[in-house]
Amino acid sequence: EVQLVESGGGLVQPGGSLRLSCAASGFTFTRHEFNWVRQAPGRGLEWVSYIAGGGSIMYYADSVKGRFSISRDNIKNLVYLQMNSLRAEDTAVYYCARSPYTGYDVFDYWGQGTLVTVSS
Amino acid sequence: EIVLTQSPATLSLSPGERATLSCRASQSVDIYLAWYQQKPGQAPRLLIYDASNRATGVPARFSGSGSGTDFTLTISSLEPEDFAIYYCQQRRSWPPLTFGGGTKVDIK
Repeated sequence: EVQLVESGGGLVQPGGSLRLSCAASGFTFTRHEFNWVRQAPGRGLEWVSYIAGGGSIMYYADSVKGRFSISRDNIKNLVYLQMNSLRAEDTAVYYCARSPYTGYDVFDYWGQGTLVTVSS
Repeated sequence: EIVLTQSPATLSLSPGERATLSCRASQSVDIYLAWYQQKPGQAPRLLIYDASNRATGVPARFSGSGSGTDFTLTISSLEPEDFAIYYCQQRRSWPPLTFGGGTKVDIK
C-alpha cells in the first residue's frame, strides 16, 4: 500500500525555521518525483516545490524561492522541505504529493498533511 | 504563469442531478489538465488526468472533456459522497504548476 506521511509541522514565530519530512512507503521511491503543495486555511491549493527522482532538479514557487529548500534521501525514502524566514502568509497545511511517472506532473498520492502556523 | 479560472464558485445541486464544472486556462494547456476532489479535512484525490482519463478507482460517473483553454468535469448523477470541492490543475507549462480556485459542489 502506498503511503506518504508528513511530519514536522507546528507553531513557529515569524522569521523562524521548520523542516518538514515526508516518509514514503509501499512503492519504489526512486522512480517517482515529489512535490509539496500547501493550502492556507479556507483557501485553495498552491504548488510549492518539486524534486526529481535523482534529487538534482528542483523547482520552487516564486513565493518561497530563496527561503525554502526541497531535498530527498533515496536511502531512507524521505522527502524534506526546509523552510526558513517564515512569514505569516506561509501558514498552511503542507501536503507531500507523488507524481506517478517521471515527467508526469500530476499527483496520484497525497499525504494527510502537516499544519504549519507562523505567528507570534 | 498559466492562470486557471474555475466556474461557478459554488454549485448547489441535489443527489441524482448532473454536475457540470468548468475550468478555463489563460493560455492553451493542450490536454494537460487534471481534476482533483477534496473533502473537508482530507487531502485532495486525483480524479481525472490529461483532460479525460479517469484515475484508478474513480467511478464512471466522473468524466472530463476539453482541450486547449476550456475544460469540463461532469458528474453524471451526484451521489452523497460527491459533495466536495473540485480543483483543476495544469502541467503544460511550469514551473509553476498551477491550480484553479476550486468549485464547491454542495447540497441544495
